[in-house]
Amino acid sequence: ETGVTQTPRHLVMGMTNKKSLKCEQHLGHNAMYWYKQSAKKPLELMFVYNFKEQTENNSVPSRFSPECPNSSHLFLHLHTLQPEDSALYLCASSQQALVGLANTGELFFGEGSRLTVL
Amino acid sequence: KNEVEQSPQNLTAQEGEFITINCSYSVGISALHWLQQHPGGGIVSLFMLSSGKKKHGRLIATINIQEKHSSLHITASHPRDSAVYICAVRLMYTDKLIFGTGTRLQVFP
Repeated sequence: ETGVTQTPRHLVMGMTNKKSLKCEQHLGHNAMYWYKQSAKKPLELMFVYNFKEQTENNSVPSRFSPECPNSSHLFLHLHTLQPEDSALYLCASSQQALVGLANTGELFFGEGSRLTVL
Repeated sequence: KNEVEQSPQNLTAQEGEFITINCSYSVGISALHWLQQHPGGGIVSLFMLSSGKKKHGRLIATINIQEKHSSLHITASHPRDSAVYICAVRLMYTDKLIFGTGTRLQVFP
């Protein structure tokens, strides 16, 4: 138990569906991340939120839409996805020392949401 | 060429052996992470390093900033150590992490 909870753990959706992935952290951290892990590829950073503000968008297609309503919750809204978007989506959190400085905190990951797009 | 290279890609060992996994990087970093990923996907952070050496139980991680190289050592390996070990570097002055492709370790009894 890392203190970061992701739901659902598994999701199958059609290309026309709209679904959301949810991440919740109980660690009091102020930074949250979405990562994508495709088969046989390194983890790829998608989005970073620090103090509820998006600080990184790693050229992610607009069919992925993040939302961070507060420091404890992070969502990834999915719509009109493609089969190649099938992957493991991992959420992580960390503690940033000071606003405006790069985050040097240790990462805590959720178990991931395995997404299959048909 | 990836900015973060790990070697070997695959590693098998007998229980009790000493194991070394290497990570080299080509960018300026503020920190380096070693992560462990078990089948099923969950990732656990093992170490975060910015200099020197850290030890936790049977695991030791070292980093040489000048040579841009880090190693993860496992002493007295055990089958439960079987997992994918991932090196990740945090780019200086950013929140961006770049990951290696991982080293798949299998330890046999």
